[in-house]
Amino acid sequence: SQQGEEDPQALSIQEGENATMNCSYKTSINNLQWYRQNSGRGLVHLILIRSNEREKHSGRLRVTLDTSKKSSSLLITASRAADTASYFCADSGGSNYKLTFGKGTLLTVNP
Amino acid sequence: DARVTQTPRHKVTEMGQEVTMRCQPILGHNTVFWYRQTMMQGLELLAYFRNRAPLDDSGMPKDRFSAEMPDATLATLKIQPSEPRDSAVYFCAPFDRCSGWASYEQYFGPGTRLTVT
Repeated sequence: SQQGEEDPQALSIQEGENATMNCSYKTSINNLQWYRQNSGRGLVHLILIRSNEREKHSGRLRVTLDTSKKSSSLLITASRAADTASYFCADSGGSNYKLTFGKGTLLTVNP
Repeated sequence: DARVTQTPRHKVTEMGQEVTMRCQPILGHNTVFWYRQTMMQGLELLAYFRNRAPLDDSGMPKDRFSAEMPDATLATLKIQPSEPRDSAVYFCAPFDRCSGWASYEQYFGPGTRLTVT
């Protein structure tokens, strides 16, 4: 069953703008990960945040985690057309590596 | 990810035929996950193996699906007989317990797009 649920399902922005995607999950987690999928490709790992972390940065990516609300957000700053893809959150549940994926947010960055 | 190859990349077959999908974790990863992706259900975990033994295959319809790791460099997913509802993209994702143990990230193969008519 799907645990992570992304919001919004689709997001369209202009190049240079920031994009924020949210994810909610249902049970306690050890870690939460974000992945990106370009059309017709496999998923690519972006960033992982552990349950004892509240915020993490990687380049133009910023991830937050609120375990009290069972939610996470992914912020992409200064978006580029190449950021156009689907973004998935995946929670580990009680394990560290058995992931449950949400249905994703389709991000379109218009040049 | 260049560390993983999946074959075939595309497969069109008729209902009732056997389908075998292959995944090669080039670096000999000891844990392999199989996922299925459809528009309706999203990305679902079918099964995963460690050291060639199945750890969890509860997501897999066992009457028609089987997954094996004949050796540490090859994982296979077989559907027999195939049905139109099996149409999906199937991904394998090897997990390197040594280096991945700290990062827990999974490296996905390019997928096999299966169409059953």
